[in-house]
Amino acid sequence: GDSVTQMEGPVTLSEEAFLTINCTYTATGYPSLFWYVQYPGEGLQLLLKATKADDKGSNKGFEATYRKETTSFHLEKGSVQVSDSAVYFCALRTNRDDKIIFGKGTRLHILP
Amino acid sequence: GAGVSQSPRYKVAKRGQDVALRCDPISGHVSLFWYQQALGQGPEFLTYFQNEAQLDKSGLPSDRFFAERPEGSVSTLKIQRTQQEDSAVYLCASSSSTPKETQYFGPGTRLLVL
Repeated sequence: GDSVTQMEGPVTLSEEAFLTINCTYTATGYPSLFWYVQYPGEGLQLLLKATKADDKGSNKGFEATYRKETTSFHLEKGSVQVSDSAVYFCALRTNRDDKIIFGKGTRLHILP
Repeated sequence: GAGVSQSPRYKVAKRGQDVALRCDPISGHVSLFWYQQALGQGPEFLTYFQNEAQLDKSGLPSDRFFAERPEGSVSTLKIQRTQQEDSAVYLCASSSSTPKETQYFGPGTRLLVL
């Protein structure tokens, strides 16, 4: 079945470090891909998305490129801030139905 | 403007009790989703409404789970005879027209079954 696999956390980095959170997916057809973020005490928020191969989603300095050949959608940021500390979820939605399928989440800690 | 709201934010129930969780979607949003998020896991789909029609309930884990949206706005997720394994955060999301639009999530209801 359709699924998302993302790197396990927690990931701990110093401020201004480079961030990569790996995400790979299994799906039939051409899914849309998402990164959601959950800040402490808040609800899930859409961070960025890409709907077709080679699309790059970007927001708040974060980027992810839809790689169909490697079935990946890795999240990157060049210089993280303490305020980026949160749980990040990679997710997909197939064209077949309407539900979003989430990975297990990666907790990110940024140290000042 | 107001986002998706859920109530109660926290609920403690004794095993065997019935609970009702409420979701108020963004005004005018046609599509409404319920997800269940166990501790340390990602959200998992439960059910989906378009207006008042429940188009997909494939994720409901048992017949103890029931959802309704009778007037196409507010939705209620009901869990009968709660079990400890029902302990989780229940998330509601809505989207404006088709479900292919961005889903906006509420803060969730954290349910603890003792």
